[in-house]
Amino acid sequence: QKEVEQDPGPLSVPEGAIVSLNCTYSNSAFQYFMWYRQYSRKGPELLMYTYSSGNKEDGRFTAQVDKSSKYISLFIRDSQPSDSATYLCAMSAIGGGGNKLTFGTGTQLKVEL
Amino acid sequence: SAVISQKPSRDICQRGTSLTIQCQVDSQVTMMFWYRQQPGQSLTLIATANQGSEATYESGFVIDKFPISRPNLTFSTLTVSNMSPEDSSIYLCSVLLSGRSYEQYFGPGTRLTVT
Repeated sequence: QKEVEQDPGPLSVPEGAIVSLNCTYSNSAFQYFMWYRQYSRKGPELLMYTYSSGNKEDGRFTAQVDKSSKYISLFIRDSQPSDSATYLCAMSAIGGGGNKLTFGTGTQLKVEL
Repeated sequence: SAVISQKPSRDICQRGTSLTIQCQVDSQVTMMFWYRQQPGQSLTLIATANQGSEATYESGFVIDKFPISRPNLTFSTLTVSNMSPEDSSIYLCSVLLSGRSYEQYFGPGTRLTVT
């Protein structure tokens, strides 16, 4: 079993839809949770991070962490064609060092006009 | 954030040869990382490169195959040695900004094809 599981998609939604992207994990030591966006032929771009459980909102993006269920989500409101990309979740078990990240395989999202 | 560049952006190499990938950051960073991204798979950490110390390799990766240099706080290289088609992948460097221990920023990647 992988430490981090992520549905690879592809996920196709119409413009304006609410998108829900999810990851589950097995390592209870994970404390930091991140979402990266990766456009085709580009490096991953850090979108959001959260520490421990709770929600964090940034514009149209909301990150949610439920440590009791070992489940994290990224919601995208009013999705746009420019949101079409692969979304990677990542997690870290180290706080002060914060170095090693464990990634999901990524979910490919397509927002259609 | 940080601006990170990688050279080359892509290359096609012959089996048995070596390729050195460069990673340049626009600010001084203590920790740099090298990842491999293969189609349909997670980003996999190859090694952590701290300036002034030997690189730390993850399980399954060895220094003879992936030697790393870290001569200063803004630059690192990863060499993929004695390449085989299985080494075809995207190689990414990332940096950890000092004081922001959970935020890693990635370069654009080097797309390597081994024939």
